[in-house]
Amino acid sequence: QVQLVQSGAEVKKPGSSVKVSCKASGGTFSSYTISWVRQAPGQGLEWMGRIIPILGIANYAQKFQGRVTITADKSTSTAYMELSSLRSEDTAVYYCARGGAGAAAGVWVEYYFDYWGQGTLVTVSS
Amino acid sequence: QSVLTQPPSVSAAPGQKVTISCSGSSSNIGNNYVSWYQQLPGTAPKLLIYENNKRPSGIPDRFSGSKSGTSATLGITGLQTGDEADYYCGTWDSSLSASPWVFGGGTKLTVL
Repeated sequence: QVQLVQSGAEVKKPGSSVKVSCKASGGTFSSYTISWVRQAPGQGLEWMGRIIPILGIANYAQKFQGRVTITADKSTSTAYMELSSLRSEDTAVYYCARGGAGAAAGVWVEYYFDYWGQGTLVTVSS
Repeated sequence: QSVLTQPPSVSAAPGQKVTISCSGSSSNIGNNYVSWYQQLPGTAPKLLIYENNKRPSGIPDRFSGSKSGTSATLGITGLQTGDEADYYCGTWDSSLSASPWVFGGGTKLTVL
């Protein structure tokens, strides 16, 4: 069965960076997209961006442009999300999620997220 | 402020039916598939409904989805205490907006 296993919890200082990994197993890594979704304490889900491993292309939400980098290593079926210039408001649980997508007018449109990682708590505190 | 609008909370008694609405626009719900996610306390979200009204393997038929125009609805029948969770709708947004993928703000379901 498909599993997404994320790296462990992190505690970071303001201004630093964090890199979270997401290792996929049980499926064909390159056939899907991997998105990163975060959830601040007591808040809803917020999509940050995604990578299309087969193309090596990443797309980001405007809010995180310039601060987030999403990459994928097809050889190890692992996706990474690096967030820089951390501030206290970045304290959240970060999830990776496998996306089912289709091509529409040259754009890879996400249809759904069918498997999720267990989440990684990132705490930003001085 | 979420691009997709959901009621903050809904409640119903065990065995009853509840619906959760998700309102958007022509750039998102109106022209793209809607999916629904269930998040039990302290756990990762789980896909409940995809492509507006399809259920993944293992999701009971007590859960249903529909879409009309720029709105979508999640229905849950035969409510159980184990259904108490937060529910989120999500879809692609085709406009040159802040985010290509958008979630609703979430709805907390209480089974009284």
